[in-house]
Order: sequence, then C-alpha cells, then structure tokens
Amino acid sequence: QVQLVQSGAEVKKPGSSVKVSCKASGGTFSSYTISWVRQAPGQGLEWMGRIIPILGIANYAQKFQGRVTITADKSTSTAYMELSSLRSEDTAVYYCARAGVTTPEFDYWGQGTLVTVSS
Amino acid sequence: SSELTQDPAVSVALGQTVRITCQGDSLRSYYASWYQQKPGQAPVLVIYGKNNRPSGIPDRFSGSSSGNTASLTITGAQAEDEADYYCNSRDSSGNPLFGGGTKLTVL
Repeated sequence: QVQLVQSGAEVKKPGSSVKVSCKASGGTFSSYTISWVRQAPGQGLEWMGRIIPILGIANYAQKFQGRVTITADKSTSTAYMELSSLRSEDTAVYYCARAGVTTPEFDYWGQGTLVTVSS
Repeated sequence: SSELTQDPAVSVALGQTVRITCQGDSLRSYYASWYQQKPGQAPVLVIYGKNNRPSGIPDRFSGSSSGNTASLTITGAQAEDEADYYCNSRDSSGNPLFGGGTKLTVL
C-alpha cells in the first residue's frame, strides 16, 4: 500500500525559509513524479512544482520560480520542498502528491503539512 | 486561456443526481481528473481519464467530457458525498492546473 508521509507543522518568520519532506513507501519511488500542491486557508488547490526522482529533474509553476526548490533523495524515497523568502500569504497546508510520469492524475497524497508564517 | 472554471457551490437532495462542471480550453485536448476533499483531509482522486474510478470509489461517481467542459456526476448522492470537489487538467505549458473548486451540499 502506497503511503506518502509528510513532516510536521512549521511556524516561520517572514523572510525565512521552510523545508518540508515527503517520504514514500509501498511503491517504486523513482517511477513516478512527486508534486507539491498548497492550499491557503479557505482557498483552493494550487500546484507549485514537481520532480521526477529517477531523473532528478524538477519544474515549477511560474508563480513560484526562484522561490521554490524541489529535490528528491532516491536512497530514502523522500522528496523535499523548500520555499524561501516566506511571507504571510504563504501560510497554507502543503501537500505532496504522486502522479505517473505520463499519467497526470494524482493518485496518492500526503497528509499535508501546515506552514504558518507569522512575525 | 490557462484557467479551469468551476461553480463555487452546488446543492443536491439526498439520493438525487448532481453534475459538477469544469470549463477550460485545455479540456478540449486533455481529460480532467477529479478530487474530493472533506474538511481537514487531503484530496482523494475519484475520477481520472475518460471515466475511470480508482479502487474503492463507489460507482455512483462518473465522469464525462464534451468540448471545453468536463463533468463529474454523482448518481444517487449520499450524505457522505458532501465535500469540495476539484477538477485538474493542464495549463498552456503542460503543467497541472486545478479548478477553483465546487462545494457540494447534500440536502
């Protein structure tokens, strides 16, 4: 059974960075893509970027270019999302989600990580 | 345009049929996938591809598409179907794109 388990909630100061992890189990980590999707309080889902672990190649939504870095460690089947220059508008639940390399649907999701940005 | 438009809210009487729609230019080329999200929970995939349901999703959920509109139909809505529903397709760069979501109320 595939599971994506994310790291715990974070509280950060404006201007700082946060790094959230997503550990996969029960599947072949490298054969899929891992995306990061965020959801601000009371708002919808927003795709931030993804990585193909087997290639180590990431691409990002234009909105987050230059501020987000997604990496993956194949040895531990863990993906990471680092968001820098945090501002209050980045307060959200951050989800990792798995999709196929050629199939776009997100079939498994992490439980979500709440990141709160507050001075 | 790189947008997927959904009605913000829809309601349905218990046991009746409801259709939730998603409009966008990319839907002329790509199928939508649909996600159900209940309060405080992660989204769950309910429909993908032409009309496919993951294991464990009841057969009262179905999907269809015509032109620039994708639809999620719930035939015989149950109380537990009350949730937010999001469509997903691709933007003009081929990246994932979500609709704004539809809040479904089961009366």
